[in-house]
Amino acid sequence: QQKVQQSPESLSVPEGGMASLNCTSSDRNFQYFWWYRQHSGEGPKALMSIFSDGDKKEGRFTAHLNKASLHVSLHIRDSQPSDSALYFCAARGSALGRLHFGAGTQLIVIP
Amino acid sequence: GGIITQTPKFLIGQEGQKLTLKCQQNFNHDTMYWYRQDSGKGLRLIYYSITENDLQKGDLSEGYDASREKKSSFSLTVTSAQKNEMAVFLCASSYRGAGERLFFGHGTKLSVL
Repeated sequence: QQKVQQSPESLSVPEGGMASLNCTSSDRNFQYFWWYRQHSGEGPKALMSIFSDGDKKEGRFTAHLNKASLHVSLHIRDSQPSDSALYFCAARGSALGRLHFGAGTQLIVIP
Repeated sequence: GGIITQTPKFLIGQEGQKLTLKCQQNFNHDTMYWYRQDSGKGLRLIYYSITENDLQKGDLSEGYDASREKKSSFSLTVTSAQKNEMAVFLCASSYRGAGERLFFGHGTKLSVL
């Protein structure tokens, strides 16, 4: 069973709209969460990290973490066509532990 | 800044062939990784290495070998290519630490005839 599960599998939003991506972990040891973004033909790039409960905002992107429910989300405000990409949630527990990736959410921003 | 270089970018092989993919990083990172990505899907860890000459198996190590010859390089060998196999192999690196981000290369796209 995958330790990190993402929903939805795909999401379409109009340009200027809000995109909300979800991620749930099945491992209570996970302490460190990341969002990665992959444009077609490229490798994934780290978008932002969140390690503490609550919200973390970076520009148009806001991540939210609730460790009690093992849930992390990513909200993209004022979505742009350049935000169209595959978004991965990733999590790890111990300091030397490996990073576990979810299967990804394909975001399409419609001009 | 640094860069991760994967070679080759495209690799076409024959069924049963042994194929080697190479990865170089100039970040001076301790840890390096090989992931496999099937079309539109998530990343599955094949091997990782936390330091030179170290090797750790991931979830998908069967059918692969890896070698960390020096700190800056990490190679992956497909021991026997499977017919009609098609995937992208991604190399990544990071500093050793739970909070450290991974930096990825652009990938090697494998097609097996």
